[in-house]
Amino acid sequence: QVQLVESGGGVVQPGRSLRLSCAASGFMFRHYGMHWVRQAPGKGLEWVAVIWSDGSNKIYADSVKGRFTISKDNSMNTLYLQMNNLRDDDTAMYYCAGDGGSMPFDPWGQGTLVTVSS
Amino acid sequence: ENVLTQSPGTLSLSPGERATLSCRASQSVIRSYLAWYQQKPGQAPRLLVYGASTRAAGTPDRFSGSGSGTDFTLTISRLEPEDFAVYYCQQYVTSPWTFGQGTKVEIK
Repeated sequence: QVQLVESGGGVVQPGRSLRLSCAASGFMFRHYGMHWVRQAPGKGLEWVAVIWSDGSNKIYADSVKGRFTISKDNSMNTLYLQMNNLRDDDTAMYYCAGDGGSMPFDPWGQGTLVTVSS
Repeated sequence: ENVLTQSPGTLSLSPGERATLSCRASQSVIRSYLAWYQQKPGQAPRLLVYGASTRAAGTPDRFSGSGSGTDFTLTISRLEPEDFAVYYCQQYVTSPWTFGQGTKVEIK
């Protein structure tokens, strides 16, 4: 069945780095653009970054630009988010989500929690 | 950035009642690329409606979306116990993709 499984979250100190992964199965991953969306505790959804299906284009939210890097390995059916220079306000559940091309976000993963704290 | 504003923030209703959720965009949503998601505690969001009015696979027909331009509505005709959740609208036509702040539908 269609599935996205995130991993790599955890507790990290401010200024440190973390890499999230999102493993896809059950659909044509290479044909999908992929997004990262985050949700701070008790808050709403915030779009973070997108990568085109072939990896040719990447766009970031202003809040993470210059610190986060999205990448996609179509041979491994895996999406990544490299997060550098983490700040307290990056604390959130991070979801990956698929985009079949000018489409809404579907499917979604179950999320991985990132906590930035000293 | 196209800012989406949802109202009300919280809707207190009883099972069997009708729920009407609003989403207003600061700029026109081109081609009505407006989606609604449902999120329950501890779960990821789930796509309910896209293209303003097309139900996603598996969405019960008590859910209906409408609207165009800057004003959109999600209606739940008769609330079932499993419908009490938070609902988000989203525009997916222009970067940055934006979500509304959410409407919580709670049991009265």
